[in-house]
Amino acid sequence: GAVVSQHPSRVICKSGTSVKIECRSLDFQATTMFWYRQFPKKSLMLMATSNEGSKATYEQGVEKDKFLINHASLTLSTLTVTSAHPEDSSFYICSAQGGGKEKLFFGSGTQLSVL
Amino acid sequence: KQEVTQIPAALSVPEGENLVLNCSFTDSAIYNLQWFRQDPGKGLTSLLLIQSSQREQTSGRLNASLDKSSGRSTLYIAASQPGDSATYLCAAGTSGSRLTFGEGTQLTVNP
Repeated sequence: GAVVSQHPSRVICKSGTSVKIECRSLDFQATTMFWYRQFPKKSLMLMATSNEGSKATYEQGVEKDKFLINHASLTLSTLTVTSAHPEDSSFYICSAQGGGKEKLFFGSGTQLSVL
Repeated sequence: KQEVTQIPAALSVPEGENLVLNCSFTDSAIYNLQWFRQDPGKGLTSLLLIQSSQREQTSGRLNASLDKSSGRSTLYIAASQPGDSATYLCAAGTSGSRLTFGEGTQLTVNP
């Protein structure tokens, strides 16, 4: 089956620093990637949709200058949390679609803790 | 705005029992309905995808049904095993492959 790799799996950073999370499709070309945020025991909330080579489309209430998304190639999308604050602490998950597949394939998630 | 609700929030059953997880959605204009499994601190694994024109999908011990008109889907797990313990999420798919997730049912299967 299709594989999506997300890195890092866990990151702890100081308040005010920026953190980059990578999402890679390993065996297919991902024309579209999605970034989600999940709070403990809560559902996944879609943050943004990115298509290769174009600007990401952000969901209402998501600050695009806070959460920078780059989808520069068909196999890689990055989410950068800029000037992180403790309220940004959360579980972030990416998913990818492409290769003629309708299903979405999810990364293993990144637990971000901002001190 | 689509809203997805899952009942129960948590479920604990003895090994071998058959069980049903429920999912309801407010907007019936969906493209598909998907069920996922999530282990603690991990990403999602797709279990079943039901197209809007379909009534059910089966994979091994899992069977998912979809009733668009009533805005409901169920996931049936037969002969549950301890390895089935996880959180099960349903998600309603709309245009552009956007998914709206429920909050999940946390399942514990006791040996």
